Amino acid sequence: SQQGEEDPQALSIQEGENATMNCSYKTSINNLQWYRQNSGRGLVHLILIRSNEREKHSGRLRVTLDTSKKSSSLLITASRAADTASYFCATDAGYAGNMLTFGGGTRLMVKP
Amino acid sequence: EAQVTQNPRYLITVTGKKLTVTCSQNMNHEYMSWYRQDPGLGLRQIYYSMNVEVTDKGDVPEGYKVSRKEKRNFPLILESPSPNQTSLYFCASSLQGRPSDTQYFGPGTRLTVL
Repeated sequence: SQQGEEDPQALSIQEGENATMNCSYKTSINNLQWYRQNSGRGLVHLILIRSNEREKHSGRLRVTLDTSKKSSSLLITASRAADTASYFCATDAGYAGNMLTFGGGTRLMVKP
Repeated sequence: EAQVTQNPRYLITVTGKKLTVTCSQNMNHEYMSWYRQDPGLGLRQIYYSMNVEVTDKGDVPEGYKVSRKEKRNFPLILESPSPNQTSLYFCASSLQGRPSDTQYFGPGTRLTVL
């Protein structure tokens, strides 16, 4: 079952603009992770935010987490054509093993 | 280079013909997992393994088998493939299977069952 739901499903912007993607989830979590997938390839981990954190930065990435609203956002600043990819949020089920549940993803296109 | 490898990368087969997709990792990870990715459904976990000889069902295990005889290998077996198993499959591994562990994904295997 999908725990995370990304919004929008697709996003098209110009190079240099910021891109914001949102993720909503249904049940309590310990951590939320964001992954990136280039077309047809494996997913690559971007960033993890714990349930007791509200904001985290990594390079041009900024992730926020609002546990009261059960939502997270991923902001990519000063986007580049190379950022074109699908972005997925993944939430844990609270116990090891059946680790991560992925959302359907946001397809980001950055036009040069 | 630390990586997860899968073989084959592409496979076209017919209904009922048994097949195996191999997965291997060279990071000494305890945890390994298989996902399938379908349009509009995101990634869904098929099976996972916390360590050698320990495997458990994920969200969509029907029609699949796995084994974990060695730490580095986690093959996915389709005993009698059906067209609804046409999908993009990913193997992943992580250090210990903790929710905070980063998962490392293989390049994917695109399977078509006719």
